[in-house]
Amino acid sequence: DTAVSQTPKYLVTQMGNDKSIKCEQNLGHDTMYWYKQDSKKFLKIMFSYNNKELIINETVPNRFSPKSPDKAHLNLHINSLELGDSAVYFCASSRQTSGGPQYFGPGTRLTVT
Amino acid sequence: DQQVKQNSPSLSVQEGRISILNCDYTNSMFDYFLWYKKYPAEGPTFLISISSIKDKNEDGRFTVFLNKSAKHLSLHIVPSQPGDSAVYFCAASGGGGSNYKLTFGKGTLLTVNP
Repeated sequence: DTAVSQTPKYLVTQMGNDKSIKCEQNLGHDTMYWYKQDSKKFLKIMFSYNNKELIINETVPNRFSPKSPDKAHLNLHINSLELGDSAVYFCASSRQTSGGPQYFGPGTRLTVT
Repeated sequence: DQQVKQNSPSLSVQEGRISILNCDYTNSMFDYFLWYKKYPAEGPTFLISISSIKDKNEDGRFTVFLNKSAKHLSLHIVPSQPGDSAVYFCAASGGGGSNYKLTFGKGTLLTVNP
């Protein structure tokens, strides 16, 4: 009964390819997030959706496009992958937008070769 | 521009003793603070949080202290157990239009020795 799940857990692909990472939460939360943990281990927010509406879009290249078909799902599509996109991507969700804890998925380790 | 800093990359303590993890922040608009625990190859797990209207919050073996004037918070774990060995992240949110965005520190690796 994983609260926040992500697929795949590992993704190895070549430069220039397009790939997607899926995220689902069964907590009934309204808000979902994508974070990136880079090689320096910093966790940084990329996007946030509240009830399928984009509310945060940090300075992320437009090759990254989140899609939220419903409030339980937030997928991340990446076009034209680059070496620098290699990182661990975490999905998270929270009950509300104004603070409160966020609950994280297990992460997807993306390796671009 | 690191707004949340965890200056100790690692900490080693003996089982049964107290572990104290520290975190400093620079953004005075932060009003909500959290601690997460992370095992390798897993996502961060929420541990405990504190609002800026409080200076202490306790949950079992975990206590978070907030010193707003010093822009400092700490996580106390007592007694420490080997299963507590993990990376601990401090995070903060608040202020502005993105008050639900979490800003994380770099983490402190805690090792609890049996």
